[in-house]
Amino acid sequence: QKEVEQNSGPLSVPEGAIASLNCTYSDRGSQSFFWYRQYSGKSPELIMSIYSNGDKEDGRFTAQLNKASQYVSLLIRDSQPSDSATYLCGKVGNNRKLIWGLGTSLAVNP
Amino acid sequence: DTEVTQTPKHLVMGMTNKKSLKCEQHMGHRAMYWYKQKAKKPPELMFVYSYEKLSINESVPSRFSPECPNSSLLNLHLHALQPEDSALYLCASSQFITGPARLSNQPQHFGDGTRLSIL
Repeated sequence: QKEVEQNSGPLSVPEGAIASLNCTYSDRGSQSFFWYRQYSGKSPELIMSIYSNGDKEDGRFTAQLNKASQYVSLLIRDSQPSDSATYLCGKVGNNRKLIWGLGTSLAVNP
Repeated sequence: DTEVTQTPKHLVMGMTNKKSLKCEQHMGHRAMYWYKQKAKKPPELMFVYSYEKLSINESVPSRFSPECPNSSLLNLHLHALQPEDSALYLCASSQFITGPARLSNQPQHFGDGTRLSIL
């Protein structure tokens, strides 16, 4: 089992809908979780960081962490075409390395 | 605009050339990273510097040589690269905080990258 798993997609949603991106991980000792957005040909951009169980909201983005079930998700409300990108889930464990999932491609259709 | 600045943005070099990639941050971060990213793959960690000392080398070939002259600068010296080394090279930085694990794992902030092509 990979340390971080994401559905590669593409996930396609209509404009204005909620996009739901999911990530599971295998190491129960993982402490820190991050969602990055990456446009084609650009560098990753931090969207959210989450460390505790529950929800964390920032504008249209909500990250959800469930350590018992070992999953972390990202909800994007009122999706816009400009949200079309690859979303990378990452976690840091005790070795301080950022371990990435393969990324989920999101397409928001006007 | 990012707070981590990488130069050059694009670099084309032959297999016998020597060149350097540069990275600069003024956020007071004491951890800096080099990543290599191929198309449709996540970034692949190459090196980590903590307080200007090399702390992680992910078994990177010696044709890549990192250097951290001070807390704001990170270089990657390139020599005798191969065509398969063509990729996007990303620099990142983060806070480095000791203490409980959840406080010490700060998010990494990336530069715009250098697109490297080896002829």
